[in-house]
Amino acid sequence: DAKTTQPPSMDCAEGRAANLPCNHSTISGNEYVYWYRQIHSQGPQYIIHGLKNNETNEMASLIITEDRKSSTLILPHATLRDTAVYYCIVGKNSGGSNYKLTFGKGTLLTVNP
Amino acid sequence: DAGVIQSPRHEVTEMGQEVTLRCKPISGHDYLFWYRQTMMRGLELLIYFNNNVPIDDSGMPEDRFSAKMPNASFSTLKIQPSEPRDSAVYFCASSPQGADTGELFFGEGSRLTVL
Repeated sequence: DAKTTQPPSMDCAEGRAANLPCNHSTISGNEYVYWYRQIHSQGPQYIIHGLKNNETNEMASLIITEDRKSSTLILPHATLRDTAVYYCIVGKNSGGSNYKLTFGKGTLLTVNP
Repeated sequence: DAGVIQSPRHEVTEMGQEVTLRCKPISGHDYLFWYRQTMMRGLELLIYFNNNVPIDDSGMPEDRFSAKMPNASFSTLKIQPSEPRDSAVYFCASSPQGADTGELFFGEGSRLTVL
């Protein structure tokens, strides 16, 4: 599976948009980009995923560059409860390796009042 | 609906003792995963099952670790004998077969401390 690079930490003001970058320059054509987050002392929580197109759900938006070598997770209006470690993961979504997701170090997002 | 249920939530034991962690996946989910999280190594995949069959156990650290899934609603992760370096939070996750979301549903974790 391709590896990802994320900044170790970021800060964001409450109410503002949080833009979390991720580089995945070795991504292959059949690999998806997944985002999870982990709030302190809890299990990781799925946020969103995408292959080529930009995606949006009730939690966030995912912007994937045309060459698919990087992506950005956008939390449109960050709240204090969004303070967490955010993981960008690249992995396949089919076959025997279905859902074998490898978590890296992630980005610690701190939302400040 | 109940999520993934893990027990115990906290376990403190002494080196050399056997530890058994338990997981009940979400009903209808065909994939089950065991992860371990430490400060040093982050979140590591230990093993995962599909339809109760172990598919990939390459992440299991050594023979002291074993995992079973006797039926679709129950799995165990056993450490025998336990060592202080096994201290970590162990997460169980499940996922439905055929879903295209790539979404894993994690439990709250079992925090293990080996003295």
